[in-house]
Amino acid sequence: AQSVTQPDIHITVSEGASLELRCNYSYGATPYLFWYVQSPGQGLQLLLKYFSGDTLVQGIKGFEAEFKRSQSSFNLRKPSVHWSDAAEYFCAVGARQAGTALIFGKGTTLSVSS
Amino acid sequence: EPEVTQTPSHQVTQMGQEVILRCVPISNHLYFYWYRQILGQKVEFLVSFYNNEISEKSEIFDDQFSVERPDGSNFTLKIRSTKLEDSAMYFCASGTGEGGNEQFFGPGTRLTVL
Repeated sequence: AQSVTQPDIHITVSEGASLELRCNYSYGATPYLFWYVQSPGQGLQLLLKYFSGDTLVQGIKGFEAEFKRSQSSFNLRKPSVHWSDAAEYFCAVGARQAGTALIFGKGTTLSVSS
Repeated sequence: EPEVTQTPSHQVTQMGQEVILRCVPISNHLYFYWYRQILGQKVEFLVSFYNNEISEKSEIFDDQFSVERPDGSNFTLKIRSTKLEDSAMYFCASGTGEGGNEQFFGPGTRLTVL
């Protein structure tokens, strides 16, 4: 079955500390992977995507993610977290073909402590 | 920066009533999508739309649901006879289709069925 697992429901990180949010997927075909962020009252904003090529991808707001095929993972990282990064983060997987469904994980809520 | 917009932001309706959720996709996008998120659950795909017809739909998208692009700018989701379990956040998304399945999401409409 096709699915995305985000094992951590809620993570708290100190401001300035590093962050890693985990994402594991199960997908029958070549996966195309996404991370989205949702701030309260806002829509889902695309942070980064991986289609092919270099397995370390850079996104907006200083985020990066690494695709590891052998581990079926696509973990999101940031070296130094800012208070404004507090939000909910969603990992998603889909086919490359436009017009097809994205499958989302349940999300990880990030809190940032000062 | 262009963005997907959705109206209303919150809709309250009585069970059995029809509702129409409205979306204005980004202007040069050709692929349109609806997703929903029941409180505390995953974001789930409902339907995708391209070239004035449905490309793909999920099991959730039964005969109670329909989509339409009534003019060159709007994309609507109609629920004919709402049920309590239709209460959710409904997200519209759009994409160009160029180079892959990247989808840009709107802020969502919170539907409450009483």
